Amino acid sequence: GAVVSQHPSRVICKSGTSVKIECRSLDFQATTMFWYRQFPKKSLMLMATSNEGSKATYEQGVEKDKFLINHASLTLSTLTVTSAHPEDSSFYICSARDGNGAGETQYFGPGTRLLVL
Amino acid sequence: DAKTTQPPSMDCAEGRAANLPCNHSTISGNEYVYWYRQIHSQGPQYIIHGLKNNETNEMASLIITEDRKSSTLILPHATLRDTAVYYCIATFRTGNQFYFGTGTSLTVIP
Repeated sequence: GAVVSQHPSRVICKSGTSVKIECRSLDFQATTMFWYRQFPKKSLMLMATSNEGSKATYEQGVEKDKFLINHASLTLSTLTVTSAHPEDSSFYICSARDGNGAGETQYFGPGTRLLVL
Repeated sequence: DAKTTQPPSMDCAEGRAANLPCNHSTISGNEYVYWYRQIHSQGPQYIIHGLKNNETNEMASLIITEDRKSSTLILPHATLRDTAVYYCIATFRTGNQFYFGTGTSLTVIP
């Protein structure tokens, strides 16, 4: 149980385009999901907290107009990187919090590798 | 959230127990200790968590000192597949954002 999926697993796009990444909790409902980014050989950096039915909360220094987050249902959150630039190239990882049974443990998706040309 | 400190890297012989330490000297009474690991180019995998008592599951054991200022993750019989970066996180159980430190890169040697 407690599986989180992400789609796509990797994406290449041109500079200036927008890219949408989906995060789904497959076997549990997640009122809260989280989005991270990770640069090569670095640790995960929390970008934002996504709450179902309300606006996301962004960490300091993360541009909310550039990284649009929508959490429309209890099993789906999306991250849209708008007007992507090469410096947005990174590994984007989502997690979903399971509030039942496992003591509010976060389960992570497999990640999405974004390359902006 | 309490800050955690881990050694940057460790080696362990295959089949031996891997003991990964974590310091969290500023942890508060309500903060849990979570352990995750990340194999290269994958999302982090949940291992175990605890508050004050020692915990064991099918993956590992978690030993938390009585003063709760440090803990040790034990992989009882390390295999090559256990080579990964291991993260220790101290956070509140509810509303728990995770702020990852640099973790420990564990290499299991044949």
